[in-house]
Amino acid sequence: AQRVTQPEKLLSVFKGAPVELKCNYSYSGSPELFWYVQYSRQRLQLLLRHISRESIKGFTADLNKGETSFHLKKPFAQEEDSAMYYCALGRGTGFQKLVFGTGTRLLVSP
Amino acid sequence: DTEVTQTPKHLVMGMTNKKSLKCEQHMGHRAMYWYKQKAKKPPELMFVYSYEKLSINESVPSRFSPECPNSSLLNLHLHALQPEDSALYLCASRSGKAEGTIYFGEGSWLTVV
Repeated sequence: AQRVTQPEKLLSVFKGAPVELKCNYSYSGSPELFWYVQYSRQRLQLLLRHISRESIKGFTADLNKGETSFHLKKPFAQEEDSAMYYCALGRGTGFQKLVFGTGTRLLVSP
Repeated sequence: DTEVTQTPKHLVMGMTNKKSLKCEQHMGHRAMYWYKQKAKKPPELMFVYSYEKLSINESVPSRFSPECPNSSLLNLHLHALQPEDSALYLCASRSGKAEGTIYFGEGSWLTVV
């Protein structure tokens, strides 16, 4: 069965500190993984997807199939990064369904 | 235009009422989704429409009835709901391409009294 695990409900860091939001998945097929972000009172937005291998707002994430992980990282957190972050797993190609993790709230303090 | 528009933003309805949530996108996307999100929980998939046909129903109770009148519109008809159905209902859409991004609307906050 598909499952996405985000072990931390809340991650609190100071501005300028490194950030790592953890995500582990279980899926028997070839996974497609995403990070979505939800800022306060805003819609859910795509932050990253593993196939694009790009950096958005300083965030990167690498798919590690051996460890079944897709952790989100940023070397220097900013206050505006405070938001809810969801890791999501999609099945294959086509009109896939997304399975979301329980989310991690990132709080960056000045 | 990369927007998915949902109306109404807020809805309060009684358990005997019939109401509808509406979703619209003009990105030419051929897949549209309904998700349900309870407070402090992740979104949970309810329905997927592919080329205006229902392709996935995640065992949703029949008091929720989706409808896709055309490729730009998606409705969710509500009837005889329960208080525990109160939640944020999110609409999303995606292009037909394998690498298409899923775009979410801002959601409709539903309260059942």
